[in-house]
Amino acid sequence: EAGVVQSPRYKIIEKKQPVAFWCNPISGHNTLYWYLQNLGQGPELLIRYENEEAVDDSQLPKDRFSAERLKGVDSTLKIQPAELGDSAVYLCASSEQGDTQYFGPGTRLTVL
Amino acid sequence: KQEVTQIPAALSVPEGENLVLNCSFTDSAIYNLQWFRQDPGKGLTSLLLIQSSQREQTSGRLNASLDKSSGRSTLYIAASQPGDSATYLCAVRPGTGNQFYFGTGTSLTVIP
Repeated sequence: EAGVVQSPRYKIIEKKQPVAFWCNPISGHNTLYWYLQNLGQGPELLIRYENEEAVDDSQLPKDRFSAERLKGVDSTLKIQPAELGDSAVYLCASSEQGDTQYFGPGTRLTVL
Repeated sequence: KQEVTQIPAALSVPEGENLVLNCSFTDSAIYNLQWFRQDPGKGLTSLLLIQSSQREQTSGRLNASLDKSSGRSTLYIAASQPGDSATYLCAVRPGTGNQFYFGTGTSLTVIP
């Protein structure tokens, strides 16, 4: 069974540029999470989807971040415009009914 | 909001030693607790999930315990091996909602 797939693995952009990350969860997992992880820290939730509905996005900086999961399967997280402080690893995870979470490899974003 | 703390932040042990990693949380009304392993530059790998009604879970050389009343969980690793070197994170799911709150992790180095 394929795990959680994320792309790209690495992204380097200039500040003020837009960037998008893609995640394909494990088949059949209705819950999808986007996390941000800074160096030496644990992941922090940005947004959680139950199927196609965003049910917890209180930590998402909505002035520059947006996310979608249109058909309740794969998801895209976008930042526009990116700032220096957005440099981090963006992790996607999925689960069935909020139990064991399975994580993708993450996208390491560097903003110059 | 649930606060999750992991002590120590870093641990170095010689190969073959048994060791204990600690996780504490502030709100005892949890649904479950999950231990993860993270290798450098990689995503998180689930190790053990303990439901709130359980006291412990075992997988191979790993044993995780849960004491809700004191807000603590421990991860016991028996006969440590160099391949166990990684960062270990615990995550707590509160009694309501599907969000997980992560600790900052313990970086383990097992010296051959």
